[in-house]
Amino acid sequence: DGGITQSPKYLFRKEGQNVTLSCEQNLNHDAMYWYRQDPGQGLRLIYYSQIVNDFQKGDIAEGYSVSREKKESFPLTVTSAQKNPTAFYLCAIKTTGQGRGEAFFGQGTRLTVV
Amino acid sequence: GEDVEQSLFLSVREGDSSVINCTYTDSSSTYLYWYKQEPGAGLQLLTYIFSNMDMKQDQRLTVLLNKKDKHLSLRIADTQTGDSAIYFCAENVGGSYIPTFGRGTSLIVHP
Repeated sequence: DGGITQSPKYLFRKEGQNVTLSCEQNLNHDAMYWYRQDPGQGLRLIYYSQIVNDFQKGDIAEGYSVSREKKESFPLTVTSAQKNPTAFYLCAIKTTGQGRGEAFFGQGTRLTVV
Repeated sequence: GEDVEQSLFLSVREGDSSVINCTYTDSSSTYLYWYKQEPGAGLQLLTYIFSNMDMKQDQRLTVLLNKKDKHLSLRIADTQTGDSAIYFCAENVGGSYIPTFGRGTSLIVHP
């Protein structure tokens, strides 16, 4: 099945823990993105990567970290430094070549602090 | 800079038309998109329009683009309860790798 896969769908974190959200794609797209969604806030960009071994901070990168060791994978770690991590996290991919350039989204991971 | 704005809520009666509006600021946008997000799910591309077009129709969906006013709208004809979702407007600026999204409009369809 082609596309973009996020896992897990639900994740619970204790105070002070780091957790890692997975994002995998098999569409061979170069660009990958992590967004955070809170009610009424829309999508806020956390990190993005245009190419393997390179990534850039978005608007709300503090308390998060990423890696891009493979083209197919762009995991997001929510560290203990993120004081309000409860949110819905969305991973997206996009072609960087010619064409419509629309983004494709995963189904999201809902992270809850317990 | 890039900024996309939408109203947050729209409530319509089943069978009526819905019109969701969006304004954007970057005149160099090449494509503009509408995405739909159902509860607990990711965003799915609903439709798009190229910046040199004024209108695009796709079954019950009509997209209107006013480049002079930087205004984009999505009209859903004969709105059904299954259309209840959050609708996001987005732009893709030529040369930019970061799609920019509005805050989303929650469409509520009631009987």
